[in-house]
Amino acid sequence: AQKITQTQPGMFVQEKEAVTLDCTYDTSDPSYGLFWYKQPSSGEMIFLIYQGSYDQQNATEGRYSLNFQKARKSANLVISASQLGDSAMYFCAMRDFYGGSQGNLIFGKGTKLSVKP
Amino acid sequence: GAGVSQSPSNKVTEKGKDVELRCDPISGHTALYWYRQSLGQGLEFLIYFQGNSAPDKSGLPSDRFSAERTGGSVSTLTIQRTQQEDSAVYLCASSLLAGGLAKNIQYFGAGTRLSVL
Repeated sequence: AQKITQTQPGMFVQEKEAVTLDCTYDTSDPSYGLFWYKQPSSGEMIFLIYQGSYDQQNATEGRYSLNFQKARKSANLVISASQLGDSAMYFCAMRDFYGGSQGNLIFGKGTKLSVKP
Repeated sequence: GAGVSQSPSNKVTEKGKDVELRCDPISGHTALYWYRQSLGQGLEFLIYFQGNSAPDKSGLPSDRFSAERTGGSVSTLTIQRTQQEDSAVYLCASSLLAGGLAKNIQYFGAGTRLSVL
């Protein structure tokens, strides 16, 4: 069955340091997409970065990069040079077409990141 | 507006009452999704609309839940005879396309926080 696992309920990082948020996934479908979203206290889910299962290179978007290790089924988010505004919940999500799914996202439980000044 | 708009932002209701939650997707987006975010369950898929096709209702938890999408744009999620376990944040998302591509980024609204007393 499809599943996303985020093993870190909470993380602390010092401002300006880098931090890695873990995500592992499970799917039988060879074609899938992996997403990271940020949810600040305001509640809106903000798209950060995408990695496709056939992409040869790790995705990067500004200070965000995705460490994609396909054989290990992991898709860790790396945030470089943390800022106070990065304090939020972070969700890893997967989209595939297993079982005829039309592509709704499956989410992990999330990691609460707190950036310390 | 530029983003997905949801109303109301907060809704308090009494057990047994019906509620309607509204979602206005990004203009031009053909796919619309509803998710529920609750403390114990994380983010769960509820229902998906794509153009004029029949909606995917596979995530609706009971027949008290229904949704419509009029004119391929605005969607309304209706919960009849609300129960306390319906208390959650209801998130709406839209994407430009759906199906066929793993990378169809879903953009979320800020959600409606429903409290059933």
